[in-house]
Amino acid sequence: GESVGLHLPTLSVQEGDNSIINCAYSNSASDYFIWYKQESGKGPQFIIDIRSNMDKRQGQRVTVLLNKTVKHLSLQIAATQPGDSAVYFCAENRPGSARQLTFGSGTQLTVLP
Amino acid sequence: KAGVTQTPRYLIKTRGQQVTLSCSPISGHRSVSWYQQTPGQGLQFLFEYFSETQRNKGNFPGRFSGRQFSNSRSEMNVSTLELGDSALYLCASTPDGLSGVYEQYFGPGTRLTVT
Repeated sequence: GESVGLHLPTLSVQEGDNSIINCAYSNSASDYFIWYKQESGKGPQFIIDIRSNMDKRQGQRVTVLLNKTVKHLSLQIAATQPGDSAVYFCAENRPGSARQLTFGSGTQLTVLP
Repeated sequence: KAGVTQTPRYLIKTRGQQVTLSCSPISGHRSVSWYQQTPGQGLQFLFEYFSETQRNKGNFPGRFSGRQFSNSRSEMNVSTLELGDSALYLCASTPDGLSGVYEQYFGPGTRLTVT
């Protein structure tokens, strides 16, 4: 069935390096995507979002890229810090389901000293 | 501005019992959504309330229900608890009840354990 999924369940990076977390989605009609960060014992925290009429959006140390041709979403974190260690989820808003986000399975990012 | 609050944070119940979880959205937010998070299924949408009305519902059995009050606070109820209901239940609020605004702010969740 259609789903939002992540390519890798875990990712380890050296402190100071850039991180790239990937996400594949299968519903080509999805119009809105969000990346969330979830630390242990906490709820998901909004990082950045992007609408389907865009292919790139930048925030503070983060960039989201959207490739609609291959239905791929990525989150780039620049100069990764220990505080970036968390599980990262992508979520999509499918047409006709306002505020009913469909989440991917998550990627555990570990920042190594 | 205070964030989304959920009570209680932790709960242990026995199979067959029922449970009520509470969520207070960010002040001014009118839409409240509930999600269940488990290691096996990930984050799954339960339902969404706006102006005291359920507007969207996910694929969960009727044992899962909710409501929203005039002050936008929301509760969800699970009746006849099963072991598989053990999960982190997350509440999220959205600023605008109209279409076009999707950003959701999550609370810390309620960890429910069913024994």
